[in-house]
Amino acid sequence: GENVEQHPSTLSVQEGDSAVIKCTYSDSASNYFPWYKQELGKRPQLIIDIRSNVGEKKDQRIAVTLNKTAKHFSLHITETQPEDSAVYFCAASGNTGNQFYFGTGTSLTVIP
Amino acid sequence: SQTIHQWPATLVQPVGSPLSLECTVEGTSNPNLYWYRQAAGRGLQLLFYSVGIGQISSEVPQNLSASRPQDRQFILSSKKLLLSDSGFYLCAWSVRGPKDTEAFFGQGTRLTVV
Repeated sequence: GENVEQHPSTLSVQEGDSAVIKCTYSDSASNYFPWYKQELGKRPQLIIDIRSNVGEKKDQRIAVTLNKTAKHFSLHITETQPEDSAVYFCAASGNTGNQFYFGTGTSLTVIP
Repeated sequence: SQTIHQWPATLVQPVGSPLSLECTVEGTSNPNLYWYRQAAGRGLQLLFYSVGIGQISSEVPQNLSASRPQDRQFILSSKKLLLSDSGFYLCAWSVRGPKDTEAFFGQGTRLTVV
Protein backbone atom coordinates (compact mmCIF):
# COMPACT_ATOMS: atom_id res chain seq x y z
CA GLY A 1 0.00 0.00 0.00
CA GLU A 2 0.86 3.69 0.03
CA ASN A 3 3.50 4.97 2.47
CA VAL A 4 3.31 8.60 3.54
CA GLU A 5 6.16 10.13 5.52
CA GLN A 6 5.86 13.49 7.25
CA HIS A 7 8.48 15.83 8.72
CA PRO A 8 9.09 17.35 11.16
CA SER A 9 7.20 15.63 13.95
CA THR A 10 7.27 18.79 16.07
CA LEU A 11 7.69 22.40 15.04
CA SER A 12 7.84 25.58 17.10
CA VAL A 13 7.74 29.02 15.51
CA GLN A 14 7.38 32.56 16.73
CA GLU A 15 4.09 34.26 16.04
CA GLY A 16 4.27 35.92 12.65
CA ASP A 17 6.88 33.57 11.26
CA SER A 18 6.23 30.96 8.59
CA ALA A 19 5.88 27.21 9.12
CA VAL A 20 6.58 24.51 6.56
CA ILE A 21 5.64 20.85 6.84
CA LYS A 22 6.82 18.32 4.28
CA CYS A 23 5.45 14.97 3.17
CA THR A 24 6.55 12.30 0.75
CA TYR A 25 4.51 9.46 -0.73
CA SER A 26 5.44 6.23 -2.44
CA ASP A 27 2.57 5.34 -4.78
CA SER A 28 2.72 7.21 -8.09
CA ALA A 29 -0.98 6.42 -8.58
CA SER A 30 -1.95 8.73 -5.71
CA ASN A 31 -3.58 11.85 -7.09
CA TYR A 32 -5.28 13.63 -4.20
CA PHE A 33 -3.42 15.15 -1.28
CA PRO A 34 -5.43 16.69 1.57
CA TRP A 35 -4.09 18.38 4.69
CA TYR A 36 -5.90 18.12 8.01
CA LYS A 37 -5.67 20.11 11.21
CA GLN A 38 -6.47 18.40 14.51
CA GLU A 39 -6.91 20.43 17.65
CA LEU A 40 -6.46 18.68 20.98
CA GLY A 41 -9.13 16.06 21.60
CA LYS A 42 -11.02 16.89 18.42
CA ARG A 43 -11.53 15.34 15.04
CA PRO A 44 -9.20 16.13 12.12
CA GLN A 45 -10.63 18.72 9.75
CA LEU A 46 -9.61 19.52 6.20
CA ILE A 47 -7.78 22.81 5.75
CA ILE A 48 -6.58 22.56 2.17
CA ASP A 49 -6.14 19.97 -0.55
CA ILE A 50 -4.44 19.62 -3.90
CA ARG A 51 -4.87 17.33 -6.87
CA SER A 52 -2.11 15.91 -8.98
CA ASN A 53 -2.86 18.14 -11.97
CA VAL A 54 -2.03 21.25 -9.92
CA GLY A 55 1.37 22.33 -8.65
CA GLU A 56 0.32 24.88 -6.05
CA LYS A 57 -2.81 26.04 -4.28
CA LYS A 58 -3.33 28.94 -1.87
CA ASP A 59 -6.03 29.84 0.59
CA GLN A 60 -5.29 33.02 2.52
CA ARG A 61 -2.35 32.24 4.83
CA ILE A 62 -1.99 28.61 3.86
CA ALA A 63 -0.61 27.10 0.68
CA VAL A 64 0.25 23.64 -0.54
CA THR A 65 2.78 22.70 -3.20
CA LEU A 66 3.09 19.38 -5.01
CA ASN A 67 6.03 17.89 -6.90
CA LYS A 68 4.72 14.79 -8.63
CA THR A 69 8.07 13.82 -10.06
CA ALA A 70 9.72 13.79 -6.67
CA LYS A 71 6.56 12.53 -4.97
CA HIS A 72 6.52 15.16 -2.28
CA PHE A 73 4.14 17.88 -1.16
CA SER A 74 4.37 20.60 1.44
CA LEU A 75 2.15 22.80 3.58
CA HIS A 76 3.13 26.42 4.08
CA ILE A 77 1.57 28.61 6.75
CA THR A 78 2.54 32.28 6.69
CA GLU A 79 2.07 34.91 9.38
CA THR A 80 1.42 32.21 11.96
CA GLN A 81 -0.94 32.93 14.84
CA PRO A 82 -1.37 31.15 18.20
CA GLU A 83 -4.61 29.59 16.96
CA ASP A 84 -2.60 27.78 14.28
CA SER A 85 -1.18 25.61 17.08
CA ALA A 86 -2.42 22.06 16.43
CA VAL A 87 -1.38 18.75 14.92
CA TYR A 88 -1.29 18.76 11.13
CA PHE A 89 -1.60 15.64 9.00
CA CYS A 90 -0.89 15.16 5.34
CA ALA A 91 -2.58 12.36 3.42
CA ALA A 92 -2.46 10.70 0.03
CA SER A 93 -5.32 9.08 -1.81
CA GLY A 94 -6.33 8.01 -5.25
CA ASN A 95 -4.80 4.60 -5.48
CA THR A 96 -7.18 1.69 -5.90
CA GLY A 97 -9.98 1.62 -3.37
CA ASN A 98 -9.98 5.28 -2.38
CA GLN A 99 -8.05 4.67 0.80
CA PHE A 100 -6.60 7.67 2.61
CA TYR A 101 -3.13 7.15 3.99
CA PHE A 102 -1.96 9.67 6.55
CA GLY A 103 1.42 10.90 7.63
CA THR A 104 2.45 10.63 11.26
CA GLY A 105 1.53 14.22 12.02
CA THR A 106 3.34 17.43 12.93
CA SER A 107 2.67 19.13 16.23
CA LEU A 108 2.91 22.86 15.52
CA THR A 109 3.30 25.32 18.37
CA VAL A 110 3.11 29.03 17.66
CA ILE A 111 4.76 31.02 20.43
CA PRO A 112 3.11 34.38 21.11
CA SER B 1 -26.17 18.14 4.50
CA GLN B 2 -24.12 15.14 5.42
CA THR B 3 -23.31 14.23 8.99
CA ILE B 4 -21.43 11.42 10.64
CA HIS B 5 -22.23 10.05 14.06
CA GLN B 6 -19.85 7.97 16.10
CA TRP B 7 -20.42 6.61 19.56
CA PRO B 8 -19.61 6.30 22.32
CA ALA B 9 -17.30 9.28 22.82
CA THR B 10 -15.34 7.59 25.59
CA LEU B 11 -15.11 4.01 26.74
CA VAL B 12 -13.20 2.20 29.46
CA GLN B 13 -13.13 -1.56 29.06
CA PRO B 14 -11.31 -4.35 30.89
CA VAL B 15 -8.81 -6.57 29.11
CA GLY B 16 -10.55 -9.55 27.54
CA SER B 17 -13.93 -7.85 27.19
CA PRO B 18 -15.68 -7.40 23.82
CA LEU B 19 -15.89 -4.15 21.90
CA SER B 20 -18.43 -2.62 19.57
CA LEU B 21 -18.07 0.90 18.18
CA GLU B 22 -20.68 2.18 15.80
CA CYS B 23 -20.61 4.82 13.11
CA THR B 24 -23.44 6.02 10.91
CA VAL B 25 -23.52 8.53 8.10
CA GLU B 26 -26.53 10.61 7.11
CA GLY B 27 -27.32 12.59 4.01
CA THR B 28 -25.37 10.57 1.48
CA SER B 29 -25.54 7.22 -0.21
CA ASN B 30 -22.94 4.62 -1.04
CA PRO B 31 -20.07 6.30 0.82
CA ASN B 32 -16.59 4.95 1.34
CA LEU B 33 -16.21 4.25 5.05
CA TYR B 34 -13.07 4.04 7.14
CA TRP B 35 -11.86 3.18 10.63
CA TYR B 36 -8.66 4.80 11.85
CA ARG B 37 -6.80 4.47 15.12
CA GLN B 38 -4.69 7.19 16.63
CA ALA B 39 -2.35 6.12 19.41
CA ALA B 40 -1.36 8.82 21.90
CA GLY B 41 0.83 11.41 20.17
CA ARG B 42 0.94 9.45 16.96
CA GLY B 43 -0.49 9.48 13.48
CA LEU B 44 -3.66 8.09 11.98
CA GLN B 45 -3.40 4.41 11.18
CA LEU B 46 -5.91 3.06 8.66
CA LEU B 47 -7.49 -0.08 10.11
CA PHE B 48 -10.35 -0.91 7.75
CA TYR B 49 -12.10 0.58 4.78
CA SER B 50 -15.27 -0.34 2.95
CA VAL B 51 -16.59 0.52 -0.48
CA GLY B 52 -19.95 -1.17 -0.03
CA ILE B 53 -22.20 -3.33 2.14
CA GLY B 54 -20.34 -6.41 3.30
CA GLN B 55 -17.12 -5.29 1.58
CA ILE B 56 -14.37 -4.81 4.14
CA SER B 57 -10.66 -4.48 3.53
CA SER B 58 -8.16 -4.69 6.35
CA GLU B 59 -4.94 -2.78 6.29
CA VAL B 60 -3.15 -4.33 9.23
CA PRO B 61 -3.41 -7.68 11.01
CA GLN B 62 -4.89 -7.11 14.42
CA ASN B 63 -7.28 -8.03 17.15
CA LEU B 64 -10.14 -6.06 15.60
CA SER B 65 -12.74 -6.67 12.91
CA ALA B 66 -15.17 -4.47 11.03
CA SER B 67 -18.56 -4.96 9.47
CA ARG B 68 -20.86 -2.93 7.26
CA PRO B 69 -24.36 -4.36 7.68
CA GLN B 70 -26.04 -1.38 6.03
CA ASP B 71 -24.95 1.16 3.43
CA ARG B 72 -24.30 3.91 5.97
CA GLN B 73 -23.35 1.91 9.03
CA PHE B 74 -19.85 0.81 9.94
CA ILE B 75 -19.04 -1.17 13.06
CA LEU B 76 -15.69 -1.87 14.68
CA SER B 77 -15.55 -4.92 16.93
CA SER B 78 -13.34 -7.09 19.01
CA LYS B 79 -14.08 -10.34 20.80
CA LYS B 80 -11.34 -9.83 23.43
CA LEU B 81 -9.66 -6.50 23.98
CA LEU B 82 -5.93 -6.18 24.61
CA LEU B 83 -4.16 -3.38 26.45
CA SER B 84 -2.59 -2.37 23.14
CA ASP B 85 -6.05 -1.67 21.70
CA SER B 86 -6.24 1.55 23.71
CA GLY B 87 -6.34 4.64 21.55
CA PHE B 88 -8.50 7.20 19.80
CA TYR B 89 -10.68 5.58 17.15
CA LEU B 90 -12.00 7.66 14.31
CA CYS B 91 -14.64 6.74 11.78
CA ALA B 92 -14.62 8.63 8.49
CA TRP B 93 -16.46 8.71 5.20
CA SER B 94 -15.83 10.04 1.73
CA VAL B 95 -17.88 10.36 -1.43
CA ARG B 96 -17.42 7.47 -3.83
CA GLY B 97 -16.92 8.74 -7.33
CA PRO B 98 -14.47 9.27 -10.16
CA LYS B 99 -12.57 11.92 -8.22
CA ASP B 100 -11.26 11.53 -4.71
CA THR B 101 -12.58 14.06 -2.25
CA GLU B 102 -11.90 14.78 1.38
CA ALA B 103 -12.59 12.36 4.19
CA PHE B 104 -14.97 13.60 6.87
CA PHE B 105 -14.30 12.37 10.38
CA GLY B 106 -16.59 11.49 13.25
CA GLN B 107 -15.96 12.91 16.70
CA GLY B 108 -13.90 9.90 17.70
CA THR B 109 -14.03 7.35 20.52
CA ARG B 110 -11.36 7.39 23.20
CA LEU B 111 -10.93 3.77 24.25
CA THR B 112 -8.98 2.88 27.35
CA VAL B 113 -8.39 -0.79 28.02
CA VAL B 114 -7.56 -1.47 31.66
